[in-house]
Amino acid sequence: ETGVTQTPRHLVMGMTNKKSLKCEQHLGHNAMYWYKQSAKKPLELMFVYSLEERVENNSVPSRFSPECPNSSHLFLHLHTLQPEDSALYLCASSQELGDPNEQFFGPGTRLTVL
Amino acid sequence: RKEVEQDPGPFNVPEGATVAFNCTYSNSASQSFFWYRQDCRKEPKLLMSVYSSGNEDGRFTAQLNRASQYISLLIRDSKLSDSATYLCVVSPYGNNRLAFGKGNQVVVIP
Repeated sequence: ETGVTQTPRHLVMGMTNKKSLKCEQHLGHNAMYWYKQSAKKPLELMFVYSLEERVENNSVPSRFSPECPNSSHLFLHLHTLQPEDSALYLCASSQELGDPNEQFFGPGTRLTVL
Repeated sequence: RKEVEQDPGPFNVPEGATVAFNCTYSNSASQSFFWYRQDCRKEPKLLMSVYSSGNEDGRFTAQLNRASQYISLLIRDSKLSDSATYLCVVSPYGNNRLAFGKGNQVVVIP
């Protein structure tokens, strides 16, 4: 595997379900990010991790819970979501936090909340 | 005022023509600027960085105007494969985060 991978690619869940999104980067990067992309809206930064420590939580509701067990893996745990949470969830990584040069994105998980 | 503003379009461009669009940003202290490309139902990928002196990569030219707080992207000799959404990206508060525009949707028509 190369680059940034995400699983699952598609997810349909009810409002009472609990699910997790997984991201893995094979680039040796130290910073990882979760973004939300809704239709007709710009990408919204949700969380930033540097060396497994969360350094930014961008006013995200507590029904989204991130976890970074090591610098290569990032999870987003979901519970009691709302239909408006339906969106494309993108994971990204960069060499270092504060690296302005490039963020590499995974293919995303397209989430539908019924 | 939004951090990054773009006219979403779509921009319908005949094959072989030139298309250009701008993006404005609100924070005058912004330090880094980029154009990302996002194909339909795919992830964004870096197209090019935008430097103070401008940047050219083949048929793509990016310019930065700090006085008026906008960046531009020009695509010459458009190809069908250029059809995509072009995201303007700015680092407005230092380097911890990037702010994305909604994107300019380009449709190249045969």
